[in-house]
Amino acid sequence: ETGVTQSPTHLIKTRGQQVTLRCSSQSGHNTVSWYQQALGQGPQFIFQYYREEENGRGNFPPRFSGLQFPNYSSELNVNALELDDSALYLCASSSQGLAVYNEQFFGPGTRLTVL
Amino acid sequence: AQKVTQAQTEISVVEKEDVTLDCVYETRDTTYYLFWYKQPPSGELVFLIRRNSFDEQNEISGRYSWNFQKSTSSFNFTITASQVVDSAVYFCALSEAKSLGGSQGNLIFGKGTKLSVKP
Repeated sequence: ETGVTQSPTHLIKTRGQQVTLRCSSQSGHNTVSWYQQALGQGPQFIFQYYREEENGRGNFPPRFSGLQFPNYSSELNVNALELDDSALYLCASSSQGLAVYNEQFFGPGTRLTVL
Repeated sequence: AQKVTQAQTEISVVEKEDVTLDCVYETRDTTYYLFWYKQPPSGELVFLIRRNSFDEQNEISGRYSWNFQKSTSSFNFTITASQVVDSAVYFCALSEAKSLGGSQGNLIFGKGTKLSVKP
């Protein structure tokens, strides 16, 4: 069973640029959630994708957007990068189904630095 | 509003000491889930435990134990006989229950407690 993978591992961008981060969900999982973790803080929920549609969103501006593909992999896009966007971006996959709770499994993250 | 508070920012212990990490949560939901995750320097979040709001039984797994008390809205984590490999940032998190056929609740994390275990 393949776990959650994310690419790239590290990324350096300058203010105003756009960035795309990628996540491959764990085999059999159909839901992807994205979290932003600033230095010294806990992860914060950005949004969740299920069946290729946004299925819940945290307190993040519209310049944070995403996609989910038919194979359930996902992208996080951030436009007009700001210095405060520097963070570890974590992707978590889970399987929406009839179970009462569906565990979220996290990837290793992408560390984004905005200069 | 849902909130998780981990008042201890950093804890330093010597190997073999016991250590307790505190977690206090706030929620208006009657059904919810509580979690602990470990984050080593590599950055990946490692799942340790999940408890639902109806199960207040304490749990022990090897050197790890968890004390869930609804009356005080706390979900504390104790490591017995700590080891250097336990050094990491530990996060407590809260999630609302999934509505039937609905979306999985997102995780709300505390700010984490950095545990350093010295040899």
